[in-house]
Amino acid sequence: DGGITQSPKYLFRKEGQNVTLSCEQNLNHDAMYWYRQDPGQGLRLIYYSQIVNDFQKGDIAEGYSVSREKKESFPLTVTSAQKNPTAFYLCASSMPLSSGRPYNEQFFGPGTRLTVL
Amino acid sequence: GQQLNQSPQSMFIQEGEDVSMNCTSSSIFNTWLWYKQDPGEGPVLLIALYKAGELTSNGRLTAQFGITRKDSFLNISASIPSDVGIYFCAGQSYNAGNNRKLIWGLGTSLAVNP
Repeated sequence: DGGITQSPKYLFRKEGQNVTLSCEQNLNHDAMYWYRQDPGQGLRLIYYSQIVNDFQKGDIAEGYSVSREKKESFPLTVTSAQKNPTAFYLCASSMPLSSGRPYNEQFFGPGTRLTVL
Repeated sequence: GQQLNQSPQSMFIQEGEDVSMNCTSSSIFNTWLWYKQDPGEGPVLLIALYKAGELTSNGRLTAQFGITRKDSFLNISASIPSDVGIYFCAGQSYNAGNNRKLIWGLGTSLAVNP
C-alpha cells in the first residue's frame, strides 16, 4: 500500500533538546515538503526538496534543518534554536515530473504533534 | 510568505444545507487545489483545477477555477455531519515556473449541526 508515513504521531521533548521527525514515502514522488501548522494560522512551509541531495528554505526555516539523502526520506530536525517549537508538523510529497500528471498536487502524511515541555 | 484570502473563516450550518466558500489571489494562478483536514490528521486533496473556467465535481462537492484566474470557489451540497472539518484552498502562481511551492489560504472551519 503506497503512502506517506510520519512517526511518531505524538512527541514530547524537553526545552533545549533537538528532535528529529521522520517522513517516509513509497510513492516514487520527487518532491517532499515540511509544513508547520498552528491553530488559526493555516499551513506554513518550513523546507522543501525537489530532488535528492537538494533542498530549499521555505517561509519559516529558522531553527529547523533537513536532509534529503534518499528519495523516500525527508527527516526534519527541530533544533534548540527554534523559539516556539510546539506545533503540528505535516510532511507532504508531490508526483514526479515523468508521471504525466500535474506535479503540484501535494499529498500529506498523518502529521506529528510535537510538544516541548 | 504570500497567502490566499479565503472566506468565510468559519461556518456553522444545519445538516442538509448547502455550503459555499471561496479563495482569492492578488496574482494570476495556474492551479487551484481544495483540501479537507479532519482534526489531528493531514489534509486530503478533494479537487484539483488547472484551467480557467473549469468546473469539477467530486460527489457532493463542486469547485470552479475563476475566469480571471485569481479566484476559486468550493460548494458542498446537502451537507452531512462528516463534512465537519477545515477546508483549505491552495494554488500555484502563474509565474512559479518549475517551483512546486503552493500558496495556502488560512482555511474555512465548517461545523454541521445534525
